[in-house]
Amino acid sequence: GAVVSQHPSRVICKSGTSVKIECRSLDFQATTMFWYRQFPKQSLMLMATSNEGSKATYEQGVEKDKFLINHASLTLSTLTVTSAHPEDSSFYICSAPDREDGYTFGSGTRLTVV
Amino acid sequence: QQQVKQSPQSLIVQKGGIPIINCAYENTAFDYFPWYQQFPGKGPALLIAIRPDVSEKKEGRFTISFNKSAKQFSLHIMDSQPGDSATYFCAASKSYNTDKLIFGTGTRLQVFP
Repeated sequence: GAVVSQHPSRVICKSGTSVKIECRSLDFQATTMFWYRQFPKQSLMLMATSNEGSKATYEQGVEKDKFLINHASLTLSTLTVTSAHPEDSSFYICSAPDREDGYTFGSGTRLTVV
Repeated sequence: QQQVKQSPQSLIVQKGGIPIINCAYENTAFDYFPWYQQFPGKGPALLIAIRPDVSEKKEGRFTISFNKSAKQFSLHIMDSQPGDSATYFCAASKSYNTDKLIFGTGTRLQVFP
């Protein structure tokens, strides 16, 4: 089936630095990528929707200048957490629509800001 | 109208039991209702999904029951096993594989031997 490869799986960074998370669709073209954030023992909350070649659409309450999304090709979307702070520590997951399963999810990135 | 309400929050059953997880929605524009299984530290994986034109769908030990008039749907896990212990999320979307998914709050299932 369709695979979305997400890297890194875990990252620890210092407060004030930036972190980039990559999601690649391996065997299909992902014109759209959904980015979710999941806090411990909570549900997935949609942060933004990116479309290849255009600006991302952010959900209400999500700072677009803090969470930079780039979708420059049909197989790669990136999320950059800028000037990260401890409250940004979370599990970030990407998801792309595909014909087989509807939506294929990446394996997630555990971000810890110290 | 965008919410999907899920219950119970947690569920404990013995091996062989049939846990049932329920979800309810308000937005009648939703057209696709999947269930996901998530293990700690992993992304969600699709278990089974249903469209509003059918009332029940079975895949292996997993069954979705769908009540369009009540705007409710549920997941039944037959002959549950310890390996089924995970968090389960229902979700809804206005359009299969194009519109965003709205997730329920999740149910943590524990199956004891």
